[in-house]
Amino acid sequence: GAGVSQSPRYKVTKRGQDVALRCDPISGHVSLYWYRQALGQGPEFLTYFNYEAQQDKSGLPNDRFSAERPEGSISTLTIQRTEQRDSAMYRCASSSLGEQYFGPGTRLTVT
Amino acid sequence: DAKTTQPPSMDCAEGRAANLPCNHSTISGNEYVYWYRQIHSQGPQYIIHGLKNNETNEMASLIITEDRKSSTLILPHATLRDTAVYYCIVRDNYGNEKLTFGTGTRLTIIP
Repeated sequence: GAGVSQSPRYKVTKRGQDVALRCDPISGHVSLYWYRQALGQGPEFLTYFNYEAQQDKSGLPNDRFSAERPEGSISTLTIQRTEQRDSAMYRCASSSLGEQYFGPGTRLTVT
Repeated sequence: DAKTTQPPSMDCAEGRAANLPCNHSTISGNEYVYWYRQIHSQGPQYIIHGLKNNETNEMASLIITEDRKSSTLILPHATLRDTAVYYCIVRDNYGNEKLTFGTGTRLTIIP
């Protein structure tokens, strides 16, 4: 069966541009999570949804970061006015009960 | 504010059992112990979880001490493909809460 998919897999953007990262969870999974991972570090929580409701956005670093999941399936993480410090691997995960299944990630590079 | 302590690295000979320790002395009564691993640049992969009883699945065994202040993940017959960073995570409830990753243990399987 299909796992969690993310697109694009790689994104290079110039400082100041907006980017949108997409996550397609496992079909039927209620919960969807976004994490950010710097090189050599463990993933860091950003936000999560149950169905279309954003349950916790305490990990979003500032108001340039936002996420939505309007129909309770696909989610988009948007970063406005990107900065070089936003460069990282952005990972999405979904779950139905308990364990989370992670996607391959989007490698974002801000130049 | 990681709630777990793990050794930064360990080696294990191929074919032997790999025993990865984790301290979680401040674990509360409704928190589960979860183990994930991350192979190279892939997304984290769920291994096993438990509350207070020992658990076993096709990947590993989890031994939790009676006072629940520590646990050990056991890979019974380590292979080269088990080389990865292993994360021990305590998580509130058996619900849809975020995962808080620490720095993990980098396990290297030696041929």
